[in-house]
Amino acid sequence: NAGVTQTPKFRILKIGQSMTLQCTQDMNHNYMYWYRQDPGMGLKLIYYSVGAGITDKGEVPNGYNVSRSTTEDFPLRLELAAPSQTSVYFCASRGTGRRETQYFGPGTRLLVL
Amino acid sequence: SQKIEQNSEALNIQEGKTATLTCNYTNYSPAYLQWYRQDPGRGPVFLLLIRENEKEKRKERLKVTFDTTLKQSLFHITASQPADSATYLCALGNAGNNRKLIWGLGTSLAVNP
Repeated sequence: NAGVTQTPKFRILKIGQSMTLQCTQDMNHNYMYWYRQDPGMGLKLIYYSVGAGITDKGEVPNGYNVSRSTTEDFPLRLELAAPSQTSVYFCASRGTGRRETQYFGPGTRLLVL
Repeated sequence: SQKIEQNSEALNIQEGKTATLTCNYTNYSPAYLQWYRQDPGRGPVFLLLIRENEKEKRKERLKVTFDTTLKQSLFHITASQPADSATYLCALGNAGNNRKLIWGLGTSLAVNP
């Protein structure tokens, strides 16, 4: 199993550009999450999904959108990039019931200039 | 509002000693508490989970305690090694809340040879 994979690893965007951060998991997990992590600020939940076709906002959803058309994929869309979106983005997934462990991808480092 | 506090200062210890990290929380009644390890430039990796009805959990050189009266968890690494140097994150969860975790900011541990 590859676990959780994210692409790209690193990206530089200009203000106002758009991009999609890809996240795929091969563990058949229902729950998937997008976090951002800024230095000294901890993990902040952007969006999450409890299954294909179901998504909901986390703590910091403004400026982002998500979709979940399959169990495996959970892309995060930035429509109009802003410098405040410079961060490291992590995707995570977990199983159902008492399988509470979250499995994280390697992260995408995004720089908006 | 819900709050988690971990040792704000970085912890520096000598190789072979026991490292003890603290996680305190307020305004929350978790069903379980997790500890993750994060290395620079990488996603968090799950280490241990302890449930509200458990006092202590062990895994190799790791030990976690959970005191729901004090609202505190202690994370111990015995016989510490330089390879244990990383940031350690505490996270709380419960059966509801759509399986979202509440994350601490983490404690940086440096084990000196």
